[in-house]
Amino acid sequence: KNEVEQSPQNLTAQEGEFITINCSYSVGISALHWLQQHPGGGIVSLFMLSSGKKKHGRLIATINIQEKHSSLHITASHPRDSAVYICAVHNQGGKLIFGQGTELSVKP
Amino acid sequence: DAEITQSPRHKITETGRQVTLACHQTWNHNNMFWYRQDLGHGLRLIHYSYGVQDTNKGEVSDGYSVSRSNTEDLPLTLESAASSQTSVYFCASSGQYQETQYFGPGTRLLVL
Repeated sequence: KNEVEQSPQNLTAQEGEFITINCSYSVGISALHWLQQHPGGGIVSLFMLSSGKKKHGRLIATINIQEKHSSLHITASHPRDSAVYICAVHNQGGKLIFGQGTELSVKP
Repeated sequence: DAEITQSPRHKITETGRQVTLACHQTWNHNNMFWYRQDLGHGLRLIHYSYGVQDTNKGEVSDGYSVSRSNTEDLPLTLESAASSQTSVYFCASSGQYQETQYFGPGTRLLVL
């Protein structure tokens, strides 16, 4: 079983829909990251959080440390949000452990 | 603007050849990392460095080596390329322990 699990693996949405991607982890962590990888391959860090909630534009990330769970929400989704979203956790040893990613496609 | 670059962006080589992938960052970050990304596995850590002359093995380090002679560069060497090393390789850097990592654009390597 992977230490970081994401769901769903694939997601297709219509433009304007509210989207949620989930991440569950089984190890002790010091921080959790959400990354975005566009079709061209580049990887960009969206959020790093260790508690509570962070918001940047239409993106919201939440984490529940007790439940070992995080969610990434996209409000008013747009075709340019189409990408792979990757959850990663910093384990107690300081290394990043990655989920396998959620491929999101937003249709106009 | 500070950045992290990788070269080459695409490489085709033959089994048994030595290959070196370059990673250069101008963030003045102490921490640098090499990952490989394969379908079905996500990103996996190959080697990492927390400063000049410091190198450490990650979870998939067999067949790879790195050296850190300055802050800016962490080249990744495949000693004798194997077809199983066909992958996309990403370099990343961060300023402090457990901070946000900044990723390079990736290198696509095909070993024939």
